[in-house]
Amino acid sequence: DAKTTQPPSMDCAEGRAANLPCNHSTISGNEYVYWYRQIHSQGPQYIIHGLKNNETNEMASLIITEDRKSSTLILPHATLRDTAVYYCIVRRMNTGFQKLVFGTGTRLLVSP
Amino acid sequence: ETGVTQTPRHLVMGMTNKKSLKCEQHLGHNAMYWYKQSAKKPLELMFVYSLEERVENNSVPSRFSPECPNSSHLFLHLHTLQPEDSALYLCASSQDWEGTPGNTIYFGEGSWLTVV
Repeated sequence: DAKTTQPPSMDCAEGRAANLPCNHSTISGNEYVYWYRQIHSQGPQYIIHGLKNNETNEMASLIITEDRKSSTLILPHATLRDTAVYYCIVRRMNTGFQKLVFGTGTRLLVSP
Repeated sequence: ETGVTQTPRHLVMGMTNKKSLKCEQHLGHNAMYWYKQSAKKPLELMFVYSLEERVENNSVPSRFSPECPNSSHLFLHLHTLQPEDSALYLCASSQDWEGTPGNTIYFGEGSWLTVV
């Protein structure tokens, strides 16, 4: 699976948009981009995933560049409860089960 | 509430003890996983069970012994652990069919293990 690069930490003011970047320059055509987050002392939580089109759900938006070498997770109105470590993971099509390889992620701190 | 329940949430055990971690998923999934998260390290995949058969074992020491009696339950049996095995152990599940890579994986809250 392609490797991802994320900034180690980011800050965001409460109520503002949080834009978390991820580089995956070696991604191949059949690999998806997944985002998970882990709030302190809890298990990781799925946020969103995409292949090449931009995606939006009730939690966030995912913007994938046209060449698919990078993506941005957008939390449109960050709250204090969004403080967490955010993981960008690239996973190829697989059969039978998922094998997510987690990196060190981006630690997002949302402040009042 | 993710539909994946882990017990106990906290466990302290001596190096000579034998204990087990339990995981139960209420999502009807067909694959279950054990991950380990040590302090300041990324999550590490330990074991994967698909349709109750172990399909992945990432060079985990034999003092960790998984068991999957059915598709809803997963155990991690622990014996003669070392202090460096102290970590957060996370169980997860997913519904995976051939050719459907978009399915997501759901994690439990984890079991905090301290080996003394």
